[in-house]
Amino acid sequence: GAVVSQHPSRVICKSGTSVKIECRSLDFQATTMFWYRQFPKKSLMLMATSNEGSKATYEQGVEKDKFLINHASLTLSTLTVTSAHPEDSSFYICSARGFTGVINEQFFGPGTRLTVL
Amino acid sequence: SQKIEQNSEALNIQEGKTATLTCNYTNYSPAYLQWYRQDPGRGPVFLLLIRENEKEKRKERLKVTFDTTLKQSLFHITASQPADSATYLCALDIDNAGNMLTFGGGTRLMVKP
Repeated sequence: GAVVSQHPSRVICKSGTSVKIECRSLDFQATTMFWYRQFPKKSLMLMATSNEGSKATYEQGVEKDKFLINHASLTLSTLTVTSAHPEDSSFYICSARGFTGVINEQFFGPGTRLTVL
Repeated sequence: SQKIEQNSEALNIQEGKTATLTCNYTNYSPAYLQWYRQDPGRGPVFLLLIRENEKEKRKERLKVTFDTTLKQSLFHITASQPADSATYLCALDIDNAGNMLTFGGGTRLMVKP
């Protein structure tokens, strides 16, 4: 199946700093990318949806100025957590959607564990 | 409100038995439903997709059923193995436009040797 990578896989930062997470679709062009957040033993919660070259659409309750999303190309999206606080500590997962010949399929990255001290 | 419900309690079974996980939804009319596996600290991995006009789908030891009248999908793992231990998530494309998946809470499966 298609591959989606995320970098870094783990990051620890101090409160008040910003952290950037990259998401890449390695072998297909992603028309849409999604960013999810997952707390321990909870399901994935969609944060935002982005299409290449346009502004991201954020879910209700997600601060767009805090979670900056840039979908610069059909293979790269970045999530920047600005002025991080301990409550932002979570598991962030990106997903890329693209047409693989039958339907639009959605593939997930391995996730990024963010810990804010 | 729209909901996708999975049994939040862990399912513990003995190796070799069949595991059955349930996904119920309300207020949706999905064109298809998907099942994913998630291991701790990893992203979800796609397993199976079943369309609304399919009653059953199989892949190796996996079987999924989809009852649009009951608004329920069942996910079966036959001859379960300890390596099958993981959290299993069902997901619906809630607007049927291919734009977004919404996930259930997942059910953790533990297969004991």
